[in-house]
Amino acid sequence: GAVVSQHPSWVICKSGTSVKIECRSLDFQATTMFWYRQFPKQSLMLMATSNEGSKATYEQGVEKDKFLINHASLTLSTLTVTSAHPEDSSFYICSARDLVNYEQYFGPGTRLTVT
Amino acid sequence: QKEVEQNSGPLSVPEGAIASLNCTYSDRVSQSFFWYRQYSGKSPELIMSIYSNGDKEDGRFTAQLNKASQYVSLLIRDSQPSDSATYLCAVINAGGTSYGKLTFGQGTILTVHP
Repeated sequence: GAVVSQHPSWVICKSGTSVKIECRSLDFQATTMFWYRQFPKQSLMLMATSNEGSKATYEQGVEKDKFLINHASLTLSTLTVTSAHPEDSSFYICSARDLVNYEQYFGPGTRLTVT
Repeated sequence: QKEVEQNSGPLSVPEGAIASLNCTYSDRVSQSFFWYRQYSGKSPELIMSIYSNGDKEDGRFTAQLNKASQYVSLLIRDSQPSDSATYLCAVINAGGTSYGKLTFGQGTILTVHP
C-alpha cells in the first residue's frame, strides 16, 4: 500500500524556538497534502491544505505566520512551527492524497512537546 | 446536523463475532467514502475505500454504501482483539468551501473482548 513518512517522529523543543516537520509520500505522487493536529482523546483537526507549487490554504483560526507550510515537490511537504509555545504541544499528522484514486494516506505523526 | 455522523460507542463485541459500524453523511453529492482505523496514540490507517453503491469486500472487512440513504457501513467479520481501535468514517466534500477535503465522523470506539 501507499506509504507516507514523517520526520521526526517526536521532538522536544524549548519555548520560542522553531521546529520543522517533514512529510514525504514514498511510493506515489501527491499534488495535495494535508496537515492535521490532534490533541489527546480528541478528533483530528485539519490545519491546512498544501498544494505543490502554490501557497497553502489554512483553516479558520490557524495562524499562517506561525505554521509555515512549504510543498516544494510532488513528494514532500514541510510544516514549520515558528516560535513554539507549550500550547503548541500536540500530535501533528500529515496526509497525502493519491492523484489517481483520491485515497488519502496518513503519515505516522510527529509528537511535539514544547517546554 | 453534523456532516458525517457516527455512533461514538463504545461498541463491544466478543472475539469471533461480526462488528458493524455505521455512518451517515449529509452531502448528497459526495462520491468518495473511506474507513480509517486509529489505534490509541497512532495516526489513522486507511482500511477501505468505496465509491459505488453496494458492497466491497477486502479480507475480513466489508464496506457497504447506499447513496440514496446517505449511509456507509463497515462490517468486520471474525473480530479479533487486535481490531480494537477507533474507526473513523470519512467523506470527501464534493462542493462548497471544503471541496476536496475529507470530513471525518467523530469515530466509533470498538472493543473486541476475548
